[in-house]
Amino acid sequence: AQSVTQPDIHITVSEGASLELRCNYSYGATPYLFWYVQSPGQGLQLLLKYFSGDTLVQGIKGFEAEFKRSQSSFNLRKPSVHWSDAAEYFCAVGNNFGNEKLTFGTGTRLTIIP
Amino acid sequence: DAGVTQSPTHLIKTRGQQVTLRCSPKSGHDTVSWYQQALGQGPQFIFQYYEEEERQRGNFPDRFSGHQFPNYSSELNVNALLLGDSALYLCASTDGQGLYEQYFGPGTRLTVT
Repeated sequence: AQSVTQPDIHITVSEGASLELRCNYSYGATPYLFWYVQSPGQGLQLLLKYFSGDTLVQGIKGFEAEFKRSQSSFNLRKPSVHWSDAAEYFCAVGNNFGNEKLTFGTGTRLTIIP
Repeated sequence: DAGVTQSPTHLIKTRGQQVTLRCSPKSGHDTVSWYQQALGQGPQFIFQYYEEEERQRGNFPDRFSGHQFPNYSSELNVNALLLGDSALYLCASTDGQGLYEQYFGPGTRLTVT
């Protein structure tokens, strides 16, 4: 069975500082990996996805993520956070290129301090 | 281009009642998935509809059922509501094939009292 672990429930970062959110997955075949962001009262917005190829993927809003098969990880990074990045972040794993069931982690809440 | 829309935005029901939630997919999309997001949790997959049939189902009881219409819109029905059914219900759509992301709607907040 596929699963996703996000070890950090809550992270606080100063504005302008760098950010890394951790994600570990368990999946029997080639994983299709995603990072979504959810602002309060809103649905989920896709930040980036990994299907194959280059293990460093670029997304929207200046985010990037690196796929490391040996560590079963897909960590999300941003070199300099902005106050508007405060939100809940979810890592997910899917099959069939992400068109079928997505399994989400429990999320990491990001707080930005001035 | 309208994205995924859901109705209603909020809903309050009593234990034992039945509820119907509605979803209209993004234009051009023919596949709809439903997720339940309890407070403080990640979304949990309920089921997916494609060509008006349930294609895949998560670990939810039969009290949760759905339907997809010829125009690709979808309904989620929950019977015999329990307090534990209180959650944000998210609808996602995709075109069903190829390397496409699932687009999520804003959700319906269901409160069971």
